Amino acid sequence: AAGVIQSPRHLIKEKRETATLKCYPIPRHDTVYWYQQGPGQDPQFLISFYEKMQSDKGSIPDRFSAQQFSDYHSELNMSSLELGDSALYFCASSLVLGGTGELFFGEGSRLTVL
Amino acid sequence: ILNVEQSPQSLHVQEGDSTNFTCSFPSSNFYALHWYRWETAKSPEALFVMTLNGDEKKKGRISATLNTKEGYSYLYIKGSQPEDSATYLCASWMDSSYKLIFGSGTRLLVRP
Repeated sequence: AAGVIQSPRHLIKEKRETATLKCYPIPRHDTVYWYQQGPGQDPQFLISFYEKMQSDKGSIPDRFSAQQFSDYHSELNMSSLELGDSALYFCASSLVLGGTGELFFGEGSRLTVL
Repeated sequence: ILNVEQSPQSLHVQEGDSTNFTCSFPSSNFYALHWYRWETAKSPEALFVMTLNGDEKKKGRISATLNTKEGYSYLYIKGSQPEDSATYLCASWMDSSYKLIFGSGTRLLVRP
């Protein structure tokens, strides 16, 4: 069965550069979530989309932006990268199903900022 | 503000110990409660999705209960093993929103 696909799996950037992470949800899923997990830290919710509209926003820095496109894939754009942005970024998708649809997570994109 | 709270924040137990932790959520407008297991550097995986008051679900040595009237859920792990070490996240879906509200997680470390 198709899973959530994230790309790239690994990304190395310099400080102050820009990075873009992509997430391709499971077909027909209507919701996408983004999470950030720093080294040795708990996962932090960044942002979510339902039917291509932002549905919730968490601890996402102003330097970050995200959107969901007409084909339901989502992109997380990170500008003016800082060392502290080095983390594993997870994307998840689900069917809302009135709140009972479980989230399926991708394998994550590891960003290293040098 | 709708908050989902988990306690304890972290927990260290010895292999073979049974343990439990709590997820508290607003009981009004409740619709569903999710539990996820998140191992470091791996993809989180769903454990349970629960909707009915008094519901109890079990998967191997892990089980969960739900009290929607008082707004809490317990996750139990019987005979903890080192491979149970992970962050356990709960999330609540309120029927007035289109989003899951996550708690900050309970980090479990099981010592051999």
